[in-house]
Amino acid sequence: GQQLNQSPQSMFIQEGEDVSMNCTSSSIFNTWLWYKQDPGEGPVLLIALYKAGELTSNGRLTAQFGITRKDSFLNISASIPSDVGIYFCAGRMIKAAGNKLTFGGGTRVLVKP
Amino acid sequence: GAGVSQSPSNKVTEKGKDVELRCDPISGHTALYWYRQSLGQGLEFLIYFQGNSAPDKSGLPSDRFSAERTGGSVSTLTIQRTQQEDSAVYLCASSLAQGAGNTEAFFGQGTRLTVV
Repeated sequence: GQQLNQSPQSMFIQEGEDVSMNCTSSSIFNTWLWYKQDPGEGPVLLIALYKAGELTSNGRLTAQFGITRKDSFLNISASIPSDVGIYFCAGRMIKAAGNKLTFGGGTRVLVKP
Repeated sequence: GAGVSQSPSNKVTEKGKDVELRCDPISGHTALYWYRQSLGQGLEFLIYFQGNSAPDKSGLPSDRFSAERTGGSVSTLTIQRTQQEDSAVYLCASSLAQGAGNTEAFFGQGTRLTVV
């Protein structure tokens, strides 16, 4: 079952807006990853985080590893139309068997009509 | 190869037929995942291989689904007696999975399966 709660499930963006999404869990993680999936493609890694409190940027994207190690957020600043897609968080729990990753349910980013 | 390669990219099959989907992971990656994704939906975990350990099959939806990873590299996902609800994109990902700094997983382009 889903052990990562990703929210919101979907959001509408207007060009120029800053948007934010997050993942939370009741378990402690030692790795957080953020991916973006464009239509017809596989998810592509955007940002990887390995330390509690770590804040990492990739262009207009910024992600943080929560200090409790149970959450992470992704911010997109000054959104543009090509930011549309599905964003997934993924994490590795501190005692994950075989270092297995767990994925969130995704945030669907759409353009405001 | 440079990335994860999946084949075929598209597959149309008749209901009741068996299909095999192939995944070539990044060379040296010990961990391999299979996911299923319905249109516009999230990633449904199917199975996880890590080195020589017994695979985590907890996500396989029925006994019609099985997967192998021979020689610790190429993996095949087999769906027997396909049903229309099996129609989806099947995604494969691989990672080093050794230590906290090497858990990043990289995805293939997926196989779009359509059962008619």
